[in-house]
Amino acid sequence: DIVLTQSPASLVVSLGQRATISCRASQSVSTSNYGYMHWYQQKSGQPPKLLIKYTSNLESGVPARFSGSGSGTDFTLNINPVEEEDTATYYCQDSWEIPYTFGGGTKLEIK
Amino acid sequence: QVTLKESGPGILQPSQTLSLTCSFSGFSLSTSGMGVGWIRQPSGKGLEWLANIWWDDDKRYNPDLKSRLTISKDTSSNQIILKIASVDTADTATYYCAGTAPWFAYWGQGTLVTVSA
Repeated sequence: DIVLTQSPASLVVSLGQRATISCRASQSVSTSNYGYMHWYQQKSGQPPKLLIKYTSNLESGVPARFSGSGSGTDFTLNINPVEEEDTATYYCQDSWEIPYTFGGGTKLEIK
Repeated sequence: QVTLKESGPGILQPSQTLSLTCSFSGFSLSTSGMGVGWIRQPSGKGLEWLANIWWDDDKRYNPDLKSRLTISKDTSSNQIILKIASVDTADTATYYCAGTAPWFAYWGQGTLVTVSA
């Protein structure tokens, strides 16, 4: 099974600054055309919300301050500038093979 | 508008079989490419993918739980059913159904399942 390691586990970012979350896969999850990595935001008491699919494709309705990048085994979610409402836990998920796996999550706090 | 809603027993005892139903609307599981999955989350912990079923009745399971899982669909009533056999306390979690794989753009609110003697 592919293992997704997110870092950091928690993050405190000042309002208006940049937040960077990393997701490293135990093997490559990309081809020359697609990175099979997706990102979710989960606020307390709510189900996850899809932010980005296939590495960098912003889901409809998601603010442009969210962006994704990466290839191979290393992927990144950036939020710039962060807003109060971005307080949440963020998860990466790969769909390279079965079983689909999720990273352990990164808890983002805004100060 | 796509909606999904999970339902389950709430509480059950160890060794019993857990049956969860996902009722959805806004799409058809007979449409090519469509799939629905189940994901669970113990309180305060991360997400674990359990199983997926596709429009063509292809079924995929998490190998760690495969021997205990059964997923099925009722296309006419827009429902997905997941059964987990021989539950124990480690199966206590919020269970979500979500579509459409392989990324999950639509999620239900989840149903909390507690396994307790």
